[in-house]
Amino acid sequence: DGGITQSPKYLFRKEGQNVTLSCEQNLNHDAMYWYRQDPGQGLRLIYYSQIVNDFQKGDIAEGYSVSREKKESFPLTVTSAQKNPTAFYLCASSIKGGYGPTDTQYFGPGTRLTVL
Amino acid sequence: DQQVKQNSPSLSVQEGRISILNCDYTNSMFDYFLWYKKYPAEGPTFLISISSIKDKNEDGRFTVFLNKSAKHLSLHIVPSQPGDSAVYFCAASASHSGYALNFGKGTSLLVTP
Repeated sequence: DGGITQSPKYLFRKEGQNVTLSCEQNLNHDAMYWYRQDPGQGLRLIYYSQIVNDFQKGDIAEGYSVSREKKESFPLTVTSAQKNPTAFYLCASSIKGGYGPTDTQYFGPGTRLTVL
Repeated sequence: DQQVKQNSPSLSVQEGRISILNCDYTNSMFDYFLWYKKYPAEGPTFLISISSIKDKNEDGRFTVFLNKSAKHLSLHIVPSQPGDSAVYFCAASASHSGYALNFGKGTSLLVTP
């Protein structure tokens, strides 16, 4: 069953702790993305990666870090420097990011992070 | 600065009628537009897209219209069904930014029986 998995679905952390959100895809997609959604807001791009070992900052990268050591995996770390980390985090992937307008992004189920 | 705007936060339509969801954009470099459907606590699901070289794209009950001069696109759902009740996000991308998506804030559609 091909798809994108994000774990866990709900995550609670104490303020000041770093936390890493998992995103795995078995679609053989080159590009992966992290978005954040806040209530009443659209999705905002945090980071994206068009190929293994390469990634770029999105619109709201401050306080976040990523790695792309494997094609299938794109973990997102929410650091203590992120001022408002409580949000719904969505991971997406596409066949070849940045190589054509028909490169539709497909989303995982999301992780809701709550920082107490 | 919001480059993709969905000015109607919610819309209620009767089952069987047409639902029209609107989206405006400000960046003239956008050349690809998508609509996603989202249920609560789930990831968005791709619905339909349109390239800037077209002005209409149809897929079953869903049609997207693009008016480049007005920087406006709309999603028509006909006939509307109760299962269409969800939040619909409009998104746009541009080749110069690696096709990263810019999302609107979404419109919550409620289809009543």
